[in-house]
Amino acid sequence: GAVVSQHPSWVICKSGTSVKIECRSLDFQATTMFWYRQFPKQSLMLMATSNEGSKATYEQGVEKDKFLINHASLTLSTLTVTSAHPEDSSFYICSANPATGRTNEQFFGPGTRLTVL
Amino acid sequence: GQQVMQIPQYQHVQEGEDFTTYCNSSTTLSNIQWYKQRPGGHPVFLIQLVKSGEVKKQKRLTFQFGEAKKNSSLHITATQTTDVGTYFCAGDRGSTLGRLYFGRGTQLTVWP
Repeated sequence: GAVVSQHPSWVICKSGTSVKIECRSLDFQATTMFWYRQFPKQSLMLMATSNEGSKATYEQGVEKDKFLINHASLTLSTLTVTSAHPEDSSFYICSANPATGRTNEQFFGPGTRLTVL
Repeated sequence: GQQVMQIPQYQHVQEGEDFTTYCNSSTTLSNIQWYKQRPGGHPVFLIQLVKSGEVKKQKRLTFQFGEAKKNSSLHITATQTTDVGTYFCAGDRGSTLGRLYFGRGTQLTVWP
């Protein structure tokens, strides 16, 4: 199956710093990637849809200036958490769809656990 | 608000017992997908249902899609400890971007 990687897998940072998370589709091209946030024992909350070559589409209540998304190429999307605070600590997961036409299943990256001190 | 409702939130069963989780969408879906997330892991695709009334089986897992394409269920027969994890349904409303609406998940615990 298709493979999506994320880097880093975990990060600890001080309050006020910015953190960049990378999401890569390793063996397929993805014009669209999705960024989710997941709190412990809770569901996946869609933050934004990342579109290659255009601006990301943010879900209601998600601050676009806080969570910067750049879809630089057909295999890479980045999420930057700017001026991170402890309440931003969470598990961030990206996903992408190879769009082979057979199914539109999402392939998820392994996630990035962010801890803001 | 919550677009896809999923119940129960938690289910504890003894190994060998059956398990069912249910999803209900407020709108008609193009298709519904099911994912499993093991503790500490990420969601992994299980199956996609597209047709009204569709039933699919994967070994001990049976997936159903309602006639109105608004509800779905996942049934596991004779659970095993390897079934432990959180099961999510995800509704696809047919958008061009492939956006999915996830249920809140059912966390399954299996006692040996």
